[in-house]
Amino acid sequence: QSVLTQPPSVSGAPGQRVTISCTGSSSNIGAGYDVHWYQQLPGTAPKLLIYGNSNRPSGVPDRFSGSKSGTSASLAITGLQAEDEADYYCQSYDSSLSVPVVFGGGTKLTVL
Amino acid sequence: EVQLVESGGGLVQPGGSLRLSCAASGFTFSDHYMDWVRQAPGKGLEWVGRTRNKANSYTTEYAASVKGRFTISRDDSKNSLYLQMNSLKTEDTAVYYCARVDSSGYETFDYWGQGTLVTVSS
Repeated sequence: QSVLTQPPSVSGAPGQRVTISCTGSSSNIGAGYDVHWYQQLPGTAPKLLIYGNSNRPSGVPDRFSGSKSGTSASLAITGLQAEDEADYYCQSYDSSLSVPVVFGGGTKLTVL
Repeated sequence: EVQLVESGGGLVQPGGSLRLSCAASGFTFSDHYMDWVRQAPGKGLEWVGRTRNKANSYTTEYAASVKGRFTISRDDSKNSLYLQMNSLKTEDTAVYYCARVDSSGYETFDYWGQGTLVTVSS
């Protein structure tokens, strides 16, 4: 069980907006540690999507956005497209575990 | 162009050993922390461990699930990262990715290899 909790699955129709939550605690997100998001398309390696809670690397469409509040973070995808169907993972740091990286359990996005 | 290419995966019996390699190119390898991340079949990402750079004394950290069995090393002269896996268990079966830790301060994984599959089975 990860210390960062994500919904196992979300879905949306093309053009719609979906959000994926990443819920933590006072020892990770709530302590102010940054949250990063990765997209993993089927059969491929993960790709950095959002860093530092809300920043997009070069080349990532502005349809993807991130936010953080309290002990949770969210990834929003607007104008949903078929190619957005993938697994999404959040990442942060947890001070209680003494390791530099914790991942959420991942969320499968299905485009209907 | 940044490239990370893993090799060394395969089938190994429980209790056995395997050494994975990751060949890096397209960036100054010696400047970066480098990590291993694994993904069991149909499961999520699991952080395995990290080696820091020379400026940080090449210190290493490991996930509790592999500590004492896995060893991460690097050879900056060969732009290579290694993962020595001993006392392998069936639950170590996974695709193993090497990943570059960005040096901006955020410590995200900005580049990943394609992964190499390790299967632990009798």
